[in-house]
Amino acid sequence: KAGVTQTPRYLIKTRGQQVTLSCSPISGHRSVSWYQQTPGQGLQFLFEYFSETQRNKGNFPGRFSGRQFSNSRSEMNVSTLELGDSALYLCASRLGVGPTYNEQFFGPGTRLTVL
Amino acid sequence: DQQVKQNSPSLSVQEGRISILNCDYTNSMFDYFLWYKKYPAEGPTFLISISSIKDKNEDGRFTVFLNKSAKHLSLHIVPSQPGDSAVYFCAASAEAAGNKLTFGGGTRVLVKP
Repeated sequence: KAGVTQTPRYLIKTRGQQVTLSCSPISGHRSVSWYQQTPGQGLQFLFEYFSETQRNKGNFPGRFSGRQFSNSRSEMNVSTLELGDSALYLCASRLGVGPTYNEQFFGPGTRLTVL
Repeated sequence: DQQVKQNSPSLSVQEGRISILNCDYTNSMFDYFLWYKKYPAEGPTFLISISSIKDKNEDGRFTVFLNKSAKHLSLHIVPSQPGDSAVYFCAASAEAAGNKLTFGGGTRVLVKP
């Protein structure tokens, strides 16, 4: 079974631009979460989508948004990019939500560099 | 406010010996704990997990111990192998908070041949 895939793997943008990252979960997984990893803040939760609905959100500004499609694929958008948005963005999927679906499986990440 | 802490940023161990990684948490709502291993330029790989109703879970060379009263968990790797050299993250989740993962800062493990 294929793992979580993320595209693109690397991205370079300039301040003020916007960016869209894509994530395809493991087949059959219906929940997709996004995380940001930076050297200073570590791994931080952005948001989770399940059945095309955002069910949980971390402490990030409104410039960070996402959506999920009916096939469970998810996109994350960051508008008005800032230098501090440079990070590794990780997508994780799990079968469902609830107490029996705790294990999340991560993709390879998208390395975003903002110049 | 760091709710999950890994106080040792790095650990060096001889091949064949035991690696012990520690993790402390402050939020008593956490009811599920996971360990992930991460190589550079890759996403974290799930290793092992434990529910708060247990105090030990074993999977091959990996064992996780949970001490709820101390709000402490540890990962034991026996025997350590050179391929285990990576960064290890402890993560915790709470059903009441939607099971989002809260990560520790990671421990870099180096296994010397």
